[in-house]
Amino acid sequence: QKEVEQDPGPLSVPEGAIVSLNCTYSNSAFQYFMWYRQYSRKGPELLMYTYSSGNKEDGRFTAQVDKSSKYISLFIRDSQPSDSATYLCAMRRGDTGRRALTFGSGTRLQVQP
Amino acid sequence: DGGITQSPKYLFRKEGQNVTLSCEQNLNHDAMYWYRQDPGQGLRLIYYSQIVNDFQKGDIAEGYSVSREKKESFPLTVTSAQKNPTAFYLCASSTGNTIYFGEGSWLTVV
Repeated sequence: QKEVEQDPGPLSVPEGAIVSLNCTYSNSAFQYFMWYRQYSRKGPELLMYTYSSGNKEDGRFTAQVDKSSKYISLFIRDSQPSDSATYLCAMRRGDTGRRALTFGSGTRLQVQP
Repeated sequence: DGGITQSPKYLFRKEGQNVTLSCEQNLNHDAMYWYRQDPGQGLRLIYYSQIVNDFQKGDIAEGYSVSREKKESFPLTVTSAQKNPTAFYLCASSTGNTIYFGEGSWLTVV
């Protein structure tokens, strides 16, 4: 079983829809959670970074973390065709161990105009 | 401009050859990483380095080697021992809890 599970999609929505992307994880040592957006043939870019359980909002994006359920989400409001990309969740340990990120497999999102 | 520069963008390798991918950063970050991404897959960690002259194996280090002689540079060598090297390779660096990526290098075995 993978440490981080993410539905690969593809997820197709109409422009203006609310998008919900999710990841589950099994390692309770993960304490820091990120969402990256990756356009085709490009490097991932950091969208959101969260530490504690709860919600964090940045413009049209909201990241949600539920550590008790080992479940994280990214919501995109008023989705735009330019949001069409692959979204990767990532997380890392909170102790002094390995600081590298562990990634989900990514969800491909297509926003139809 | 500050950032992470990977070169070359595209590279073709013949079977049995070693190739080296370059990664340079001018962000003054201590930690650097190499990830591999296969089509439709997430990123898998090859090697990482927390400080100069020190590096650790990641989850898929077999067939790869690295060096970290300078803070700014973390080259990755894909050796002939790597049985399936065709992939997208991503270099990253970090400060604190966030990791930033370069634009990637595409390696194809011909």
